[in-house]
Amino acid sequence: EAGVTQSPTHLIKTRGQQVTLRCSPISGHTSVYWYQQALGLGLQFLLWYDEGEERNRGNFPPRFSGRQFPNYSSELNVNALELEDSALYLCASSFGGGKVEQYFGPGTRLTVT
Amino acid sequence: GESVGLHLPTLSVQEGDNSIINCAYSNSASDYFIWYKQESGKGPQFIIDIRSNMDKRQGQRVTVLLNKTVKHLSLQIAATQPGDSAVYFCADKTNAGGTSYGKLTFGQGTILTVHP
Repeated sequence: EAGVTQSPTHLIKTRGQQVTLRCSPISGHTSVYWYQQALGLGLQFLLWYDEGEERNRGNFPPRFSGRQFPNYSSELNVNALELEDSALYLCASSFGGGKVEQYFGPGTRLTVT
Repeated sequence: GESVGLHLPTLSVQEGDNSIINCAYSNSASDYFIWYKQESGKGPQFIIDIRSNMDKRQGQRVTVLLNKTVKHLSLQIAATQPGDSAVYFCADKTNAGGTSYGKLTFGQGTILTVHP
C-alpha cells in the first residue's frame, strides 16, 4: 500500500513569491493535515481537511491556505512568502479526524531566500 | 497556551541498553498521547499511543507510561538498536471540539543516538 506522497521534494522561492505544495493521502483516507516543521522546532499544526472541507486551522496568518479535492488530495498555498516560512512542510492523512494515528509523508523542504 | 514539551533534548545510549525518553504536557483535557519517531529526511512515523484513561501500554520493544498526576509521559525502548537513532516526538490529541479538534500538538523532540 502506497504511503502519503508529497511534491515537490524541495523548493526554493524568493521572498514575496507564492508557492503551492501538494499531498496525496493513503488510499481510503479522507482527512489530510498540514504541519510546518521549522528548523530546530517541533511540528506546528497548520490545517486539517476532511471530506473536502476545512475542519480546523492553526495559528497561522491567512496567507497560508489550502484545499482538498474530491479525490482527497490536497494543496497548501502560501502567498507573499517570508524568510521565516522556510521549513519542512509535512502532510499527514487518516481515516477521518477522529482517528489518533496520522500517517505522515516525507515532506516538502521549502527555502525562501 | 497549551503545549507538550520535553525534558531532555538529547539522549545518547549504547546498543543493547534501555532508553527512556520523557515528555511533560500541560493540556489535562487531552484524550490521547502519541509517540512519533522521525529519522533524518523522513516524515514522523507513528510508534505507539495511549489513551488518557490508561497508565501503561506496551508494544514491540516499546512501553509508554502516562502519569496524569504530574502530567508526564515517557517512552521506554528496550534493547536499543542503532536503527532506533532518530528524533522522538511526543504529541497529544483531543477529540473535543474547538481549536484543538483533530490536530496533534507536538513537543520539541528528543534526539536519540545509539552507539554500536
